[in-house]
Amino acid sequence: EVQVLESGGGLVRPGGSLRLSCTASGFTFSTEAMTWVRQAPGKGLEWVSAINYNGATSYYADSVRGRFTISRDNSKNTLYLQMNSLSPEDTAVYFCAKGGYYDFSDPWGQGTLVTVSS
Amino acid sequence: EVVLTQSPATLSLSPGERATLSCRASQSVENYLGWYQQKPGQAPRLLIKDASKRATGIPARFSGSGSGTDFTLTISSLEPEDFAVYYCQQRGNWPRTFGQGTKVEIK
Repeated sequence: EVQVLESGGGLVRPGGSLRLSCTASGFTFSTEAMTWVRQAPGKGLEWVSAINYNGATSYYADSVRGRFTISRDNSKNTLYLQMNSLSPEDTAVYFCAKGGYYDFSDPWGQGTLVTVSS
Repeated sequence: EVVLTQSPATLSLSPGERATLSCRASQSVENYLGWYQQKPGQAPRLLIKDASKRATGIPARFSGSGSGTDFTLTISSLEPEDFAVYYCQQRGNWPRTFGQGTKVEIK
């Protein structure tokens, strides 16, 4: 079964940093693009970032460019999202999902909650 | 970036009725438009890809149509489990973007 599982969320102070992880199983991770999407409490979905299969290319939403970095370790079947200079507006559930370059993201993990508050 | 506008914001219908949801793009995304369903506390689930192709395991009552800038998701006869929020997303341009969502609620 194809699965992705996020971890690393939590409470962080404004201006702080956090690194999210997403562990994949059930498919050949090293041949698939991966995506991060977030959802603020009670709000809609916001696309955050995507990375191609080997990490050579990546894209970001304007709202996070320069503060967030997407990366991957294909030897560990793991996707990362390094988040710096966090603000309360970054408070959201962060989902990772398989695909997103030449296809639509599917499936998604259950998400990890990031809360930015003093 | 491509702005996706969904309408209506809320659709109040009864089980068995037909639901028609709209997604309009600010510029052409060709047929690179997908639809997701999200229920409370759950991750989104892909329903339709590339405007009209049902994703694996999606019932035939879900159908998509459109190209360019205007797209429609149709649920032919609502089942109780279909009451949820639906989002469109484009993959024709970077950055990828989502619509703001349409909530399908029980009337």
